[in-house]
Amino acid sequence: GESVGLHLPTLSVQEGDNSIINCAYSNSASDYFIWYKQESGKGPQFIIDIRSNMDKRQGQRVTVLLNKTVKHLSLQIAATQPGDSAVYFCAENADSSYKLIFGSGTRLLVRP
Amino acid sequence: GAGVSQTPSNKVTEKGKYVELRCDPISGHTALYWYRQSLGQGPEFLIYFQGTGAADDSGLPNDRFFAVRPEGSVSTLKIQRTERGDSAVYLCASSPTSGRGTQYFGPGTRLTVL
Repeated sequence: GESVGLHLPTLSVQEGDNSIINCAYSNSASDYFIWYKQESGKGPQFIIDIRSNMDKRQGQRVTVLLNKTVKHLSLQIAATQPGDSAVYFCAENADSSYKLIFGSGTRLLVRP
Repeated sequence: GAGVSQTPSNKVTEKGKYVELRCDPISGHTALYWYRQSLGQGPEFLIYFQGTGAADDSGLPNDRFFAVRPEGSVSTLKIQRTERGDSAVYLCASSPTSGRGTQYFGPGTRLTVL
């Protein structure tokens, strides 16, 4: 990937704090959701996914929350580290399609 | 193991020229996708292959764009008569099953049309 996110919403957090990145999705038929991390010059990297039959899923230092009622997804990163600085995208997928629909992204900046 | 690889990493061409972008998916992955990412935006779907056949090419913007995957592994995205608006990063992804699993992305090819 190129240097993404020149005009993206930015979240700035102190190293060690928790980060919460939000995403609103558009398709009520979407039943699979993924969070990707994209560093400058690289392709999107898988972080965590969740299916619509769940409302919470935890990974290593990350938690994804899904609220289907309001079509909202969030990514929580615990004890944020400088290496977490990147652009984060949520992506949705509907049962009838194989394609991922990506959100517009959020840039996370971690202050030392 | 090796991830998705794409070549070239950068391609600069002149308006009107023909370009080919190559994608090597993760070994054993049957599904392959192409996306395009413009500056400041998320990737946008172009085409999906299941095996050798294009199962969904609804994202290709026009007939100047074409993609093949003749042996069900490596894929080539071909763009004819390039235009300046084609400048973007072209991303390839693969997944082990028929499209409903996690898609793993390559580093992309940055295409610049002068």
